[in-house]
Amino acid sequence: QVTLKESGPALVKPTQTLTLICSFSGFSLSTSGVRMSWIRQPPGKALEWLARIDWDDDKFYSTSLKTRLSISKDTSKNQMVLRMTNMDPADTATYYCARTTEYGGFDFWGQGTLVSVS
Amino acid sequence: DIQMTQSPSTLSASVGDRVTITCRASQNISPWLAWYQQKPGKAPKFLIYKVSSLESGVPSRFSGSGSGTEFTLTISSLQPDDFATYYCQMYKTYSYTFGQGTKVEIK
Repeated sequence: QVTLKESGPALVKPTQTLTLICSFSGFSLSTSGVRMSWIRQPPGKALEWLARIDWDDDKFYSTSLKTRLSISKDTSKNQMVLRMTNMDPADTATYYCARTTEYGGFDFWGQGTLVSVS
Repeated sequence: DIQMTQSPSTLSASVGDRVTITCRASQNISPWLAWYQQKPGKAPKFLIYKVSSLESGVPSRFSGSGSGTEFTLTISSLQPDDFATYYCQMYKTYSYTFGQGTKVEIK
């Protein structure tokens, strides 16, 4: 059974760095072909993909946010980490982690964690 | 960046109706197009991938079609559980973009 769960601060101040952790089970990020992503959704707005990390440690970022993002993994803990620098009120959103399929979709999602910047 | 435009933004329909949602891409993205259903306060649910492949466990009343830059999600007979917001999403060259969403509400 695949499960994912995000954790991190509910509130951060402007200019601070946000660190989010995705803890997952039912698969391993060290298995060939496995990919995971971070996606966010501001209140009442659409989804926005942020970053992806692959089993071989390849990393990919949203063009518009790449200077502020860093994605990493700890395969021994079955965790994925996102760091976003210089937080702004416009970054207030629910942040999701999701397993990313080879066909370009996201098949399993965490419940999301709401991060407010104020 | 590739832009994804969904229409309509809101759709009012009744149980039993056939519903079609359109998603247009600013450039050719075939076949990397997926669809999701999202209910308030919940994470999106993966419905369709590669334009028309149904994810395991998704009811057969959902179908996807299209190619190139224009794609559709069809619900053949709307059920009470289907009232939600639907998103299309593309993948190309290590980048992913979602549409702005279509809310399907009760007429």
